[in-house]
Amino acid sequence: DAKTTQPPSMDCAEGRAANLPCNHSTISGNEYVYWYRQIHSQGPQYIIHGLKNNETNEMASLIITEDRKSSTLILPHATLRDTAVYYCIVRLVNTGTASKLTFGTGTRLQVTL
Amino acid sequence: DTGVSQDPRHKITKRGQNVTFRCDPISEHNRLYWYRQTLGQGPEFLTYFQNEAQLEKSRLLSDRFSAERPKGSFSTLEIQRTEQGDSAMYLCASSLGFSPLHFGNGTRLTVT
Repeated sequence: DAKTTQPPSMDCAEGRAANLPCNHSTISGNEYVYWYRQIHSQGPQYIIHGLKNNETNEMASLIITEDRKSSTLILPHATLRDTAVYYCIVRLVNTGTASKLTFGTGTRLQVTL
Repeated sequence: DTGVSQDPRHKITKRGQNVTFRCDPISEHNRLYWYRQTLGQGPEFLTYFQNEAQLEKSRLLSDRFSAERPKGSFSTLEIQRTEQGDSAMYLCASSLGFSPLHFGNGTRLTVT
């Protein structure tokens, strides 16, 4: 699986948009970009995923560059409850494989008042 | 849909003892994954089941570790002769085919 690069930490003021970047320059054509977050003492929580088009759901938006070498997760109005470690993962989706998630160390997002 | 359930939430054991953890996946999810997470690190893949078949194991899964998924429903992860280095959070996740993985809240193991 391709590796990702994320900043180790970021701060965001409550109510503002949080933009979390991720580089995945070696991503291949059948690898999706997934985002998870992990709040202290809980398991990782799925946020959103995409292949090449931008995606939006009730939690966040995912912007993938045209060359697919990087992406940005956008939390439009961050709250204190969004404080967590955010993981950007590229996942190989292919029959006959585990299609497992390979986690890095993520970005620790601190939302402040 | 009650999510992925793991039991127990916490386990303290003495070095050399055996421990077993249980994972109940989301019903009808055919894929089940075990991960281990140590402090400050992201989760690390241990093993994967498709239905009852264990199809992939990480090199992290030493001979002291064994996982089963009888009848393709719940799964157990057993660690024999525990060592202090086994202290970690053990996470279970499930998915239906290539859908996103859903994780439980883990079992925190402390080996004294």
